[in-house]
Amino acid sequence: AQTVTQSQPEMSVQEAETVTLSCTYDTSESDYYLFWYKQPPSRQMILVIRQEAYKQQNATENRFSVNFQKAAKSFSLKISDSQLGDAAMYFCAYRIDYGGATNKLIFGTGTLLAVQP
Amino acid sequence: GAVVSQHPSWVICKSGTSVKIECRSLDFQATTMFWYRQFPKQSLMLMATSNEGSKATYEQGVEKDKFLINHASLTLSTLTVTSAHPEDSSFYICSAPHQAARNTIYFGEGSWLTVV
Repeated sequence: AQTVTQSQPEMSVQEAETVTLSCTYDTSESDYYLFWYKQPPSRQMILVIRQEAYKQQNATENRFSVNFQKAAKSFSLKISDSQLGDAAMYFCAYRIDYGGATNKLIFGTGTLLAVQP
Repeated sequence: GAVVSQHPSWVICKSGTSVKIECRSLDFQATTMFWYRQFPKQSLMLMATSNEGSKATYEQGVEKDKFLINHASLTLSTLTVTSAHPEDSSFYICSAPHQAARNTIYFGEGSWLTVV
């Protein structure tokens, strides 16, 4: 079974600094997708970044980038120049794409990020 | 703007009654939608996969008679919590893959259910 593990329940970063959130996953599949979602206090789930497993290049979206290590099954999120608005719960997610479970997302337990002014 | 809309955002119901939550895909069709439940300070737990025109697929441990899912059209899925009890109080959130956006999965705003 596919699992997603986030080993950091809480993290804190100073405004303008950089922080890295960890995520590991377990799967026997070779083709899959990985995501980071942000959930602010409003509870709205917001897609931060996505990575296709077949791509070797790490995805980047402005201040957000990932370090995707396929062999190690690791998918960390780096937030550069942290802003107060980055404070939220961050979920790592894996997407299954086979059979009747198309587009099904499996979530990690989340990391609560606090940004200190 | 939102691409998946959920309604209502908040609902309070009495024990023993049923409550319906709607999930709509805006400007795109979704043959599949997903319903999650989230307890405070916890992750999203997948309850079921809603399939347009056919029965929903429930995750292990989720009571299908308690949580009725109907996907009557390509833009609407509904979750009905039947004979609600206080332990059903939770945050429910739906999602749908947007095929034209590389199957990016978008989430609704979520619905807070309180059973009193």
